Amino acid sequence: QKEVEQDPGPLSVPEGAIVSLNCTYSNSAFQYFMWYRQYSRKGPELLMYTYSSGNKEDGRFTAQVDKSSKYISLFIRDSQPSDSATYLCAMINTNAGKSTFGDGTTLTVKP
Amino acid sequence: DTGVSQNPRHKITKRGQNVTFRCDPISEHNRLYWYRQTLGQGPEFLTYFQNEAQLEKSRLLSDRFSAERPKGSFSTLEIQRTEQGDSAMYLCASSPRGEGNTEAFFGQGTRLTVV
Repeated sequence: QKEVEQDPGPLSVPEGAIVSLNCTYSNSAFQYFMWYRQYSRKGPELLMYTYSSGNKEDGRFTAQVDKSSKYISLFIRDSQPSDSATYLCAMINTNAGKSTFGDGTTLTVKP
Repeated sequence: DTGVSQNPRHKITKRGQNVTFRCDPISEHNRLYWYRQTLGQGPEFLTYFQNEAQLEKSRLLSDRFSAERPKGSFSTLEIQRTEQGDSAMYLCASSPRGEGNTEAFFGQGTRLTVV
């Protein structure tokens, strides 16, 4: 079993919809939680990172962490066609220095 | 452009040949990472440098793979005797000093195809 499991998708929504992307993890040592966006044939781009349980908001994006349930989410409000991409969750055990990624959820926002 | 730069962007090689990729991190970023990504999968960690010191290597990094970061600046990843299973996107990321190295900036990757 992988340390990080991500809802596989693909996900297709109409423009303006609220999108929920989710990951679960098994390693209690993970302390930092990140969401990356990756367009086709491009490198991942960091969207948000969080440390503690709770919510963190940045514009249309909200990252949510529940350490007790080992569950993280990314919400996208008022989704736009330009949000169409693969979204990757990633986690770090600060003692390890490396990020462990989920396999990504591909999102398509239809105009 | 002051982002992470990777060269070449694409490489096609015959099985058994050696290949070398280069990564130029963001200036003054002391941490540098190599990841490998195959279609439909997330990036998998290969190795990590802090300055010139290679601090961790994944079990994925067989003895055919070697990475260097001389003088703590650019890094190279060499694959010897390439196999078809080595076909993947090789991603480099750099990060400034700081707890949790949360701000990892990725390059555009080098796509390797072994034929």
